[in-house]
Amino acid sequence: AQKITQTQPGMFVQEKEAVTLDCTYDTSDPSYGLFWYKQPSSGEMIFLIYQGSYDQQNATEGRYSLNFQKARKSANLVISASQLGDSAMYFCAMRERALGKLIFGQGTELSVKP
Amino acid sequence: NAGVTQTPKFRVLKTGQSMTLLCAQDMNHEYMYWYRQDPGMGLRLIHYSVGEGTTAKGEVPDGYNVSRLKKQNFLLGLESAAPSQTSVYFCASRQSSYEQYFGPGTRLTVT
Repeated sequence: AQKITQTQPGMFVQEKEAVTLDCTYDTSDPSYGLFWYKQPSSGEMIFLIYQGSYDQQNATEGRYSLNFQKARKSANLVISASQLGDSAMYFCAMRERALGKLIFGQGTELSVKP
Repeated sequence: NAGVTQTPKFRVLKTGQSMTLLCAQDMNHEYMYWYRQDPGMGLRLIHYSVGEGTTAKGEVPDGYNVSRLKKQNFLLGLESAAPSQTSVYFCASRQSSYEQYFGPGTRLTVT
């Protein structure tokens, strides 16, 4: 069965520093997609970044990059130059191939300190 | 272009009451999903639809029913609400692209 694990319930980072949020996954499907979503205190789910299992390069979107290590089954999110507005819950998710269903991890709460 | 909208935003029900949550999308997406989010947990899939007139069970379907009579709408029904259904409910939609677009959520409390 597919599974996503986020082992860091909470993280602190100093403003302007980089932070890595961990995500490991388990699947027997050779084709899958990995996502990161941000959920601020207002509650909406904001798409950040996507990595396909066959993508050769790590995905990047502005200050977000995904450190994809296929052999280790990890898909860590790296946020560079943290800002106060980055304080939020962050969810890693894996897409089930055929029907596009997402399986979510339990989330990591990131707090950025001024 | 409103994206994905959910109605209502908040609701309080008494145990045993029924209600319907409405999800609407204006992007002509084929796939639609209902998730619930409980404290300390990620989102879990309740039901989903791969097109107008189709529905299927997700990970936690018990106590819910859904309908997709029109392509743009996906309804989630609670026939007899229970306190265990207190949660935040998210709707999402997707076309062929990989990204799921989420609605703003509905916060439901069952007393």
